[in-house]
Amino acid sequence: DAKTTQPPSMDCAEGRAANLPCNHSTISGNEYVYWYRQIHSQGPQYIIHGLKNNETNEMASLIITEDRKSSTLILPHATLRDTAVYYCIVRRGANNLFFGTGTRLTVIP
Amino acid sequence: ETGVTQSPTHLIKTRGQQVTLRCSSQSGHNTVSWYQQALGQGPQFIFQYYREEENGRGNFPPRFSGLQFPNYSSELNVNALELDDSALYLCASMESPSGANVLTFGAGSRLTVL
Repeated sequence: DAKTTQPPSMDCAEGRAANLPCNHSTISGNEYVYWYRQIHSQGPQYIIHGLKNNETNEMASLIITEDRKSSTLILPHATLRDTAVYYCIVRRGANNLFFGTGTRLTVIP
Repeated sequence: ETGVTQSPTHLIKTRGQQVTLRCSSQSGHNTVSWYQQALGQGPQFIFQYYREEENGRGNFPPRFSGLQFPNYSSELNVNALELDDSALYLCASMESPSGANVLTFGAGSRLTVL
């Protein structure tokens, strides 16, 4: 599986867009980019995933570069409840996900 | 639809004891995975069950074992507990083991080994 690199922490002002980067330069053609988040003391929550095209759902947008070596998760209007650890995972499927240590996003009032 | 539920939420054991953790999968999901999350770390994959058979395992010793039942509920058993087994144990289910499926996680069972 491709390895991912994320910044350990980020801050974002409440109401602003939060842009969380992820590098996955060794990604294979059949590997998806998944994003999960974990709010303190809860189980991880699925956010979004994509293969090649940009994706958007009710929670977030996922922008994948044309060469697929990096991606950005965008929370369009961050709220205090978005404070969490965000994990970027590259995998062929949802089996045996490697979470790493993620990015700790703090939304500031 | 109900989500993934785990029990117990918290428990304390002593070194050398055995523990059983339980999980009810989300309705319609036939695949269940277990993860261990130590404090300050990301979750680590223990194993996965599909149709009552183990079909994937992470780097965990044989004293970590599991079961999946016909109703797709699952158990994680840990024998000969060690202090380092103290962690949050997460159960996750998905519709099938193939394709770009997503995992639905439970809230976890926090195990403390003294």
